[in-house]
Amino acid sequence: SQQGEEDPQALSIQEGENATMNCSYKTSINNLQWYRQNSGRGLVHLILIRSNEREKHSGRLRVTLDTSKKSSSLLITASRAADTASYFCALKGNTPLVFGKGTRLSVIA
Amino acid sequence: GAGVSQTPSNKVTEKGKYVELRCDPISGHTALYWYRQSLGQGPEFLIYFQGTGAADDSGLPNDRFFAVRPEGSVSTLKIQRTERGDSAVYLCASSPDRGNTEAFFGQGTRLTVV
Repeated sequence: SQQGEEDPQALSIQEGENATMNCSYKTSINNLQWYRQNSGRGLVHLILIRSNEREKHSGRLRVTLDTSKKSSSLLITASRAADTASYFCALKGNTPLVFGKGTRLSVIA
Repeated sequence: GAGVSQTPSNKVTEKGKYVELRCDPISGHTALYWYRQSLGQGPEFLIYFQGTGAADDSGLPNDRFFAVRPEGSVSTLKIQRTERGDSAVYLCASSPDRGNTEAFFGQGTRLTVV
């Protein structure tokens, strides 16, 4: 399959805790992207990591990429109730951007 | 406009009817994608345009689905003889290049076939 597979499917944490989501894949990629979606409508791009990069940061977000294990993780630190959303990894290889099924994150205040 | 615009935001149609969904990408973006998303699932790739041409239409589920982008800007997704299983949110995204940077998504069109 060309799509990534996120783990866990659902995650519930308390406000202030860290949230970690993982994405595994099977194909070669040029880059891997993480997106967020609220209420089942438009997706918002969070961060892009290229295949020759191992780690990127953006605010409270930290993404790692291990191409030898074909996996990526998204860490959200000091979570807030407003972080409640679905998070998707998307793979860019020789095919158009392909999305996984997502992780549904609930942050409880 | 500043972002990707999709119209209509909601569409209810009867089984067997024809529908058109419109996407206005960000000005200057050469890449345009259509996705379909069912409840609880991730976006499912349908078709990708680079300029005016469909560079990859491998995701279109059958020949009832067709999309055009005649001038390399606005795109229309056309669905003939709609079926209840076509009910979903149809998402459009654009990107300034061949996908090596982020994609910008519209808010989607929720299609309901009754």
